[in-house]
Amino acid sequence: AQTVTQSQPEMSVQEAETVTLSCTYDTSESDYYLFWYKQPPSRQMILVIRQEAYKQQNATENRFSVNFQKAAKSFSLKISDSQLGDAAMYFCAYRTRKDNDMRFGAGTRLTVKP
Amino acid sequence: DGGITQSPKYLFRKEGQNVTLSCEQNLNHDAMYWYRQDPGQGLRLIYYSQIVNDFQKGDIAEGYSVSREKKESFPLTVTSAQKNPTAFYLCASSIEGSGGRLGTDTQYFGPGTRLTVL
Repeated sequence: AQTVTQSQPEMSVQEAETVTLSCTYDTSESDYYLFWYKQPPSRQMILVIRQEAYKQQNATENRFSVNFQKAAKSFSLKISDSQLGDAAMYFCAYRTRKDNDMRFGAGTRLTVKP
Repeated sequence: DGGITQSPKYLFRKEGQNVTLSCEQNLNHDAMYWYRQDPGQGLRLIYYSQIVNDFQKGDIAEGYSVSREKKESFPLTVTSAQKNPTAFYLCASSIEGSGGRLGTDTQYFGPGTRLTVL
């Protein structure tokens, strides 16, 4: 079974600084997708960034970028110029192209200090 | 505005009662999903539906039931057989289900329903 591991239950960052959240996954598949979702106090899950495994180029979305290391099965999220609104739970998720179930990590709670 | 709505936001149930959580989407998405979230944990899949009148069990389907009579609606019933139903429930949808030609797999989530058993 595929598993997703987020080894950092909590992280904190100073406003305007950069922080990296870690995620590793276990799979024998070659065609899959990886996601980072943000869950603010409202509890709505918001897509932050998405990576297709066959693409070597790391995905970026404004201040958010990933470091995708396919051989190491690692998918970390870098948040640059952190803002107070970035404070939330962040979930790493994995899904194969052929399966419907999306596997989520346990989450990392990010605190942003003013 | 296109999106996914869930109602109610908060729901209280007495033991032994069935309750139904609503999920509606106007995104014209084929696939819909129900997840459960417990404190300090990620999401776990309860049921999913790739198309109208078809649905499949996820990892934790016991004690739950669903229907998919319309493309835009995917209600979840929490039955009295569910041993520990107190949780946060999230509904999601995607343009298509697994193995889709488009490969557009991204799931978009509703705001969730908090269910508490009294």
